[in-house]
Amino acid sequence: GQNIDQPTEMTATEGAIVQINCTYQTSGFNGLFWYQQHAGEAPTFLSYNVLDGLEEKGRFSSFLSRSKGYSYLLLKELQMKDSASYLCAVKMEGYKLSFGAGTTVTVRA
Amino acid sequence: DTGVSQDPRHKITKRGQNVTFRCDPISEHNRLYWYRQTLGQGPEFLTYFQNEAQLEKSRLLSDRFSAERPKGSFSTLEIQRTEQGDSAMYLCASSPPVGVTEAFFGQGTRLTVV
Repeated sequence: GQNIDQPTEMTATEGAIVQINCTYQTSGFNGLFWYQQHAGEAPTFLSYNVLDGLEEKGRFSSFLSRSKGYSYLLLKELQMKDSASYLCAVKMEGYKLSFGAGTTVTVRA
Repeated sequence: DTGVSQDPRHKITKRGQNVTFRCDPISEHNRLYWYRQTLGQGPEFLTYFQNEAQLEKSRLLSDRFSAERPKGSFSTLEIQRTEQGDSAMYLCASSPPVGVTEAFFGQGTRLTVV
């Protein structure tokens, strides 16, 4: 089976930085996605890494190390609206995504 | 085009009844996926279409589940003889034929089996 692990919960203060780690052991790998999901809403795409290294997109950055089976999502200058679940997903053969359980981030004033 | 559309948004049904959900993907997206998500978990892959062809089905998809995409546009997911364990959010996603191919998700259909 596929194994994608990420912390269950994280709490941080408005304006701070939070790093969400994701480790994976999967039978295939065609890239790693991060999605944001607010309660009761659809997951929305944040970032995609297929090669090792850092991808930066405004306040959000994502890092990938394929040899270590490791990725992280970095959220900078946290805002209250960033309170959500963050899903790490590995793109498998046939384009399907295998998701972790998600990390609930709570931003406090 | 406003994105992936799913109907209904909520469905409450009695155990043993059949239910059908509809998904309208983003225009020109040839790939369509169904996922199921329960509380506190990430989405689990159910099935995948490329145009009208169903290319992959998860082992999670029992014989009570069937999905179609008859003309390569909208798709339906039917659950027969629903069970309480079927209660979940059913998410549809689509992706284009080229590019990064990230999946764009619909708002989901929340099914409650009582």
